[in-house]
Amino acid sequence: GQNIDQPTEMTATEGAIVQINCTYQTSGFNGLFWYQQHAGEAPTFLSYNVLDGLEEKGRFSSFLSRSKGYSYLLLKELQMKDSASYLCAVMDSNYQLIWGAGTKLIIKP
Amino acid sequence: IAGITQAPTSQILAAGRRMTLRCTQDMRHNAMYWYRQDLGLGLRLIHYSNTAGTTGKGEVPDGYSVSRANTDDFPLTLASAVPSQTSVYFCASSSGSNQPQHFGDGTRLSIL
Repeated sequence: GQNIDQPTEMTATEGAIVQINCTYQTSGFNGLFWYQQHAGEAPTFLSYNVLDGLEEKGRFSSFLSRSKGYSYLLLKELQMKDSASYLCAVMDSNYQLIWGAGTKLIIKP
Repeated sequence: IAGITQAPTSQILAAGRRMTLRCTQDMRHNAMYWYRQDLGLGLRLIHYSNTAGTTGKGEVPDGYSVSRANTDDFPLTLASAVPSQTSVYFCASSSGSNQPQHFGDGTRLSIL
């Protein structure tokens, strides 16, 4: 079966750095997406990786290793507004997104 | 402002009733999707449409139907609602199969 694993919840301090990991087992691979979802709101797109390596976009970076079935989202200079759930999703061989259950990130002052 | 509009925002429905969730996008995206999101689970694909006039089944299609008469609209119908269909439903669209999906604000549906 297809499976996306990410931690259920993480806690970090304002101003710090946090890394959210995602491991996957899917039938085929056509890219990995990270989304942010604030409570009660819609998911919003953060990043897309299809090749191995690091993609940097401001305070957020995303890394992919296809051979290890592994990705992480790195958030720097954490702000209170970064408190949200972060969703990892992999596009399979049918170009359908398989979603993880999300990691709830709690930021403390 | 361009985007996706879902209606209604929330609804309480008696079991056995028929319900249509509406979704409209003005970005001229070819692909559209319906997901349900339940606590502790990832988003699960119900149905999708790669282009107007075509639809396909996702991971959890039973009890749901869709149509795609034009590019902008992608309604989701529950023919006879059951309590297990209580969920938050998100509509999404994308410009291509490997492009980011853009989501509507969701419909919170409770079946009693």
